[in-house]
Amino acid sequence: NAGVTQTPKFRVLKTGQSMTLLCAQDMNHEYMYWYRQDPGMGLRLIHYSVGEGTTAKGEVPDGYNVSRLKKQNFLLGLESAAPSQTSVYFCASSYTTGTSGGTSTDTQYFGPGTRLTVL
Amino acid sequence: DQQVKQNSPSLSVQEGRISILNCDYTNSMFDYFLWYKKYPAEGPTFLISISSIKDKNEDGRFTVFLNKSAKHLSLHIVPSQPGDSAVYFCAASAIWTSNTGKLIFGQGTTLQVKP
Repeated sequence: NAGVTQTPKFRVLKTGQSMTLLCAQDMNHEYMYWYRQDPGMGLRLIHYSVGEGTTAKGEVPDGYNVSRLKKQNFLLGLESAAPSQTSVYFCASSYTTGTSGGTSTDTQYFGPGTRLTVL
Repeated sequence: DQQVKQNSPSLSVQEGRISILNCDYTNSMFDYFLWYKKYPAEGPTFLISISSIKDKNEDGRFTVFLNKSAKHLSLHIVPSQPGDSAVYFCAASAIWTSNTGKLIFGQGTTLQVKP
């Protein structure tokens, strides 16, 4: 059980180049998320998916696209990279959202991150 | 507009003492709160959570307190250990009103526990 994995771990791009970040989870989770972490900003949600074939925008979606063709995979694409997209990207997944008696199955499990530098 | 704020970027405590990390939020729709811990070069890992129907949740050395009227929560670590040195993120969600699981994170507090 690998949990949440991300590919690649590091990448350097030139302005205008494109790339795709891959997130995979083997926990049969319905929900998947892409975040970016910048110094002093915490984690900000880029896009998310509540199930296979569905995607939705988060807090900072501009410049990114996503696809969820398979339940276990969530892809984040940068069509034309910009220096402002230099960041650490984290993928996360959760089983579902719901509470029962004060507990929740909403815990998000995170991947190890991808460090992206755009020159 | 920062809906979840951790106003202390860093905290240093002595091993064995109590660590108290604070978090404030502005959105009254938030009903579920979590703390995540992050080591360098790793992804955040879930630590403890609390629902808005409770004011305290305890798990071993970790206790989270929620004060809804003040829109404030805190994480207490007792006793603190050097291995607790990490960045701690507070996060909030509106589970009952939004079936998306979206989390809003604070900026993080770096905890250093000195031996």
